[in-house]
Amino acid sequence: GAGVSQSPSNKVTEKGKDVELRCDPISGHTALYWYRQRLGQGLEFLIYFQGNSAPDKSGLPSDRFSAERTGESVSTLTIQRTQQEDSAVYLCASSSIAGSFSEQFFGPGTRLTVL
Amino acid sequence: GENVEQHPSTLSVQEGDSAVIKCTYSDSASNYFPWYKQELGKRPQLIIDIRSNVGEKKDQRIAVTLNKTAKHFSLHITETQPEDSAVYFCAADTGRRALTFGSGTRLQVQP
Repeated sequence: GAGVSQSPSNKVTEKGKDVELRCDPISGHTALYWYRQRLGQGLEFLIYFQGNSAPDKSGLPSDRFSAERTGESVSTLTIQRTQQEDSAVYLCASSSIAGSFSEQFFGPGTRLTVL
Repeated sequence: GENVEQHPSTLSVQEGDSAVIKCTYSDSASNYFPWYKQELGKRPQLIIDIRSNVGEKKDQRIAVTLNKTAKHFSLHITETQPEDSAVYFCAADTGRRALTFGSGTRLQVQP
C-alpha cells in the first residue's frame, strides 16, 4: 500500500513569507507526527496528533509554527514569517497507535530553504 | 521530559568488523526503544526495536540490548557491510507522547 507522502518535496522561500507543508499519512493510522531535521542533525519533535484528542504541541519552537489535522487524514504544518533558521527538512510520520510501541513510518520530507 | 543521549556521533569500521552504538535515557517511564536507520537523502526506517520487558533482541546481524537499571541501550551490528553505512538514531518512548530521538551516529563501513 501507499506510504506516507509529503508535499512539496522542496520549497524555497524568502525570509518573512509564510509556508504550508502537507502530509498524507498511511490510511488508517491514527497518530501523526511532525519532526524537524536540520542539516547533519537529529530529529527534533514538533507536534503530534492522536485521533480526535488535543494535539501535543510541546515541541513547536515558536508561535510562528502551527499545525492542523482533520480527523485521521491530511495534516498541514504552517510556518509564518519564515526565518533563515527555519531552513531544514520537515519530516512527517504516522503510526497505527500513538505512543504505544507502534512503528512510525516516515514520509520523504520537505526540504525548506529560507533565503 | 525525556532526554536521549547517543554516542559516538561518528563511527568508522572496516568491513566485517562489529559496530556498537550506545544511548542513554533519562525518563525511567520509557518502555519502548526503537532504532532507525537513515541512508543519505532518504527517510528514517525502523530496523529493530525492544520493549522494556526484555533485555536483548536479535535479528540476523543486528542486536539491541537494554539495561533498565542503568537506563541505557545499545545497538550491535556484526559482520558489517558497506550497505550498513548510514546514520543511526536511537529513540525512547514513554507511551505518553512522540518518540524522543538521539542525535544520531554516522556509521561508515570501509570496504
